[in-house]
Amino acid sequence: GAVVSQHPSWVICKSGTSVKIECRSLDFQATTMFWYRQFPKQSLMLMATSNEGSKATYEQGVEKDKFLINHASLTLSTLTVTSAHPEDSSFYICSARRALMPLHFGNGTRLTVT
Amino acid sequence: SQQGEEDPQALSIQEGENATMNCSYKTSINNLQWYRQNSGRGLVHLILIRSNEREKHSGRLRVTLDTSKKSSSLLITASRAADTASYFCATEQGAQKLVFGQGTRLTINP
Repeated sequence: GAVVSQHPSWVICKSGTSVKIECRSLDFQATTMFWYRQFPKQSLMLMATSNEGSKATYEQGVEKDKFLINHASLTLSTLTVTSAHPEDSSFYICSARRALMPLHFGNGTRLTVT
Repeated sequence: SQQGEEDPQALSIQEGENATMNCSYKTSINNLQWYRQNSGRGLVHLILIRSNEREKHSGRLRVTLDTSKKSSSLLITASRAADTASYFCATEQGAQKLVFGQGTRLTINP
């Protein structure tokens, strides 16, 4: 079964509003989670590394103030897209690593900003 | 760009045929991984090959790695319609960060 749960699976919001996406590791603790963004028919681009109890590490070109990441517990990381615009419409995927295992991915969140 | 290249970008074959996808990367690696993504879903880990390995098998999957050429290939034998998906290679670049290739969209025609 799924070991990483992502919620919601899809969301439609109006331009200017904020959207929060949750990523949970279901039966293991994840000190590090990763957030990716994927445009249609393209690859996954790493946005940031979410570290439990500390600030996220953002990749070059990713706006920290726009994509807020909070890793408040060992099983939950959240990505908030603030003041969303149509160009933020994308597929957002989180992942987490279980000890000595490959990364497990959530099923992604399809964000559409109208 | 940190991302690798994959070819072909799209591949369409008949059920039962073998499918081969290639991946090239740019940096030194500890391992290379292949993932599968069904449309609109997350990624599923298929296989990991370490830098000191040259070939690895898992069921109908065969992965090769040539570190001198910085390339890898994924072979799916006896393809099935259910194998239709996008396939991505990924290299681990420090602190558990995965960098993905562009992907190959595989279509298996019944």
